[in-house]
Amino acid sequence: AQKITQTQPGMFVQEKEAVTLDCTYDTSDQSYGLFWYKQPSSGEMIFLIYQGSYDEQNATEGRYSLNFQKARKSANLVISASQLGDSAMYFCAMRPDYNTDKLIFGTGTRLQVFP
Amino acid sequence: NAGVTQTPKFQVLKTGQSMTLQCAQDMNHEYMSWYRQDPGMGLRLIHYSVGAGITDQGEVPNGYNVSRSTTEDFPLRLLSAAPSQTSVYFCATHQPRGPVIVAFFGQGTRLTVV
Repeated sequence: AQKITQTQPGMFVQEKEAVTLDCTYDTSDQSYGLFWYKQPSSGEMIFLIYQGSYDEQNATEGRYSLNFQKARKSANLVISASQLGDSAMYFCAMRPDYNTDKLIFGTGTRLQVFP
Repeated sequence: NAGVTQTPKFQVLKTGQSMTLQCAQDMNHEYMSWYRQDPGMGLRLIHYSVGAGITDQGEVPNGYNVSRSTTEDFPLRLLSAAPSQTSVYFCATHQPRGPVIVAFFGQGTRLTVV
């Protein structure tokens, strides 16, 4: 079954600290993509970072990096130097194969950054 | 450039009423989709379309209809609203850039069925 699992409903982190948001996935295809989206309290969805199944290096975008462990089927998001503006809901998503444009989303992790 | 526009932003319906949630995009993207977001359930795909005239069911299609007569518009119809359809609804378009899918979401419609 194609599925994304996020086991952390909520996380707290102090400003300027790093935080890891967990994501595991399940797919039988060899070609797939993994994504992270941020949803602030305003409700819009913001694309953060992408990792392809054949990418050998972990993706990075500024303070965001994706810790991709293919054998464990995990794609954790690491946010370095957290800022108050990082407080939001974070969704892990998967494009289960390259023949579809569909995205499968996890249940999300609510991150709260405190001073 | 408006991106993805959803209307209305808020709606209260009585059980059994019907209504249409509107979604319009100006990015000329072929792929459009509707999700519902419920606490603890994440985003679940209702219906999607890979181009004008082509629609297909997602994970939770029951109680909803869609059509895609133009590239720009993808309305979602609730045929006979039920309290279980109380949710936040998001319309999205996808732009494939090779293997990367960048999804653009509307601001959401918060629907309450009483």
